Order: sequence, then structure tokens, then C-alpha cells
Amino acid sequence: KQEVTQIPAALSVPEGENLVLNCSFTDSAIYNLQWFRQDPGKGLTSLLLIQSSQREQTSGRLNASLDKSSGRSTLYIAASQPGDSATYLCAVRQVKTSYDKVIFGPGTSLSVIP
Amino acid sequence: DAGVIQSPRHEVTEMGQEVTLRCKPISGHNSLFWYRQTMMRGLELLIYFNNNVPIDDSGMPEDRFSAKMPNASFSTLKIQPSEPRDSAVYFCASRKSGRPTDTQYFGPGTRLTVL
Repeated sequence: KQEVTQIPAALSVPEGENLVLNCSFTDSAIYNLQWFRQDPGKGLTSLLLIQSSQREQTSGRLNASLDKSSGRSTLYIAASQPGDSATYLCAVRQVKTSYDKVIFGPGTSLSVIP
Repeated sequence: DAGVIQSPRHEVTEMGQEVTLRCKPISGHNSLFWYRQTMMRGLELLIYFNNNVPIDDSGMPEDRFSAKMPNASFSTLKIQPSEPRDSAVYFCASRKSGRPTDTQYFGPGTRLTVL
């Protein structure tokens, strides 16, 4: 059974710092891995999607890497800003079942202090 | 496109009452997902439809929960009778499906409080 974990559960950093969020998964048979952002009281918004054949994806100050063999992904945020404060969830899309299924991690709550 | 639309945004009801949550997916998307999010359990998949057909309902907590998708543009999640432990935020998401690059688009959620 696929399990997705995220470390740390919460993180507080001063504005301007570079930071790394971690995601681990137990079954490497994945279609893709995705990072989402969730603002308080809102739905999830997709940030980056890495296909199983890719190693990383970049969007602006965000860079996500994927190491399928070790079951790990990292989300790197450069020059953090207060507007980056949110919960970040990673999700893996599996292929082993007769249909694909997305499993979410518990999230990392990020607070960027001005 | 307006994105995934959910209604109501907030629902407060008393234990034992029937609750119906509604979702309109993005036009052209053929997969629809219902999730429940709580502090204790995080984001849990309740049921997944593909082309209006329920594919996996193993996440539905018990028989009190039921979901329907009568057509490609509408789905409902019903709880009858509701209990205080059903209090959570319920999200609907849709996806075009097929390609590995397709992502789920989430609605704003319905915050359910059962007293």
C-alpha cells in the first residue's frame, strides 16, 4: 500500500531564506508526482508536476526534484516571501491498480515571517 | 472556464439530518473525485468517477455516504444520517484524465459542521 509522508510538518522561516520541503513515498511504481499549495480555507492549486521519467521541474522560484528509486521528492523554494505562506502537499499518482489513483501526503505548513 | 464549482460553501446541520453536497466539474473533464479533509486524517479520497461511472468507492466511510454522477456536469455526495464526526471540508476535483501530465483541479470545498 502506497504511503506518502512529508517532513517537516511545519516550518517557519524569515523572509528571503531558501528552503526545502521533503516528500517520501513507499512504492516507486508511480505515474507522476505533484506538488500542491493550499491556502487557508481554500482548495488545492497545482504548483509542479514531475512525470516518472523526469528528474525535476522548475517554475519561477520553485524547483521540484524526483528520485523514484529512493522514493523521494523535494520542493525547493528560493528567496521565500510572506506570500509563500501556505500548506504544501505532495501527491503521487499510482499505476499498479487497474486505474490510477492519487495519494496525498499530510502536508507541510510553511510560514514566512516578514 | 469557471473552474470546479461546489455548493454550498458552508453547511451547518444537526446530527441525524441529511446533507447533500454538489459539484460541477470543469467542462471536458471526464474524471471526478470527492475528497474529505480533516486535521487528524489529512486529505482522503472518498470516491472516484470516470466517465460518470464510480470506479472506486473504497474510501467511502460507511453506508451513510453515497455519491452519484448522473451526467458529465454534475455530481452529488450525500450523507444520511449525518453525525458530528462527519464534520470536515469536502473537496471535489476533476481531471481530463489519460495523460500522465493531466492534473486534478480542485474546487473551493464545502465546510461541513454537524452539531
